[in-house]
Amino acid sequence: AQTVTQSQPEMSVQEAETVTLSCTYDTSESDYYLFWYKQPPSRQMILVIRQEAYKQQNATENRFSVNFQKAAKSFSLKISDSQLGDAAMYFCAYLSGNTGKLIFGQGTTLQVKP
Amino acid sequence: GAVVSQHPSRVICKSGTSVKIECRSLDFQATTMFWYRQFPKQSLMLMATSNEGSKATYEQGVEKDKFLINHASLTLSTLTVTSAHPEDSSFYICSARYAGKYGYTFGSGTRLTVV
Repeated sequence: AQTVTQSQPEMSVQEAETVTLSCTYDTSESDYYLFWYKQPPSRQMILVIRQEAYKQQNATENRFSVNFQKAAKSFSLKISDSQLGDAAMYFCAYLSGNTGKLIFGQGTTLQVKP
Repeated sequence: GAVVSQHPSRVICKSGTSVKIECRSLDFQATTMFWYRQFPKQSLMLMATSNEGSKATYEQGVEKDKFLINHASLTLSTLTVTSAHPEDSSFYICSARYAGKYGYTFGSGTRLTVV
């Protein structure tokens, strides 16, 4: 079975600084996708960034970028120029290309300090 | 586009009663929907996969008789919590696949409180 591990329950960053959230996963599948989702206090799940496992190039979306290390099964999220609105719970997620199931990590609560 | 509407957003019910949660895809046909449960400040745990016109597939440890899932149309999936107890109190979220292999969208969730 696939597992997703986020080892940082809480992180904090100063506004305008950079922070990296860690995620590791375990799988024997070759067809999969990885995601970072943001869950603000409203609890609506918001897609932050997506990475196809077959792509070597790291995904980037504005201030958000990932460091995808396939061999190490590592998928970290870097948030640059942190803003107060980035404060939320962040989930790393694994999508199986075989089953279509989306499996989430434990989550990291990010605090942004003004 | 790709909006899933989930209702109700909050519900309080008495112990022993049943409560139904609905998820509707508003602008696409959702052949597959997923139901998650989330405790405060914890992860989303996949409960079941709902396929239109067929029986839901439940994850290990999820009581299928307690959490009844129906996906009778391409735009509606329902989760019914039967004979609810206080330990069923939680946040329930639905998700639907709307495009290709990795297009997923989420409902806004339902906070269930059983008193």
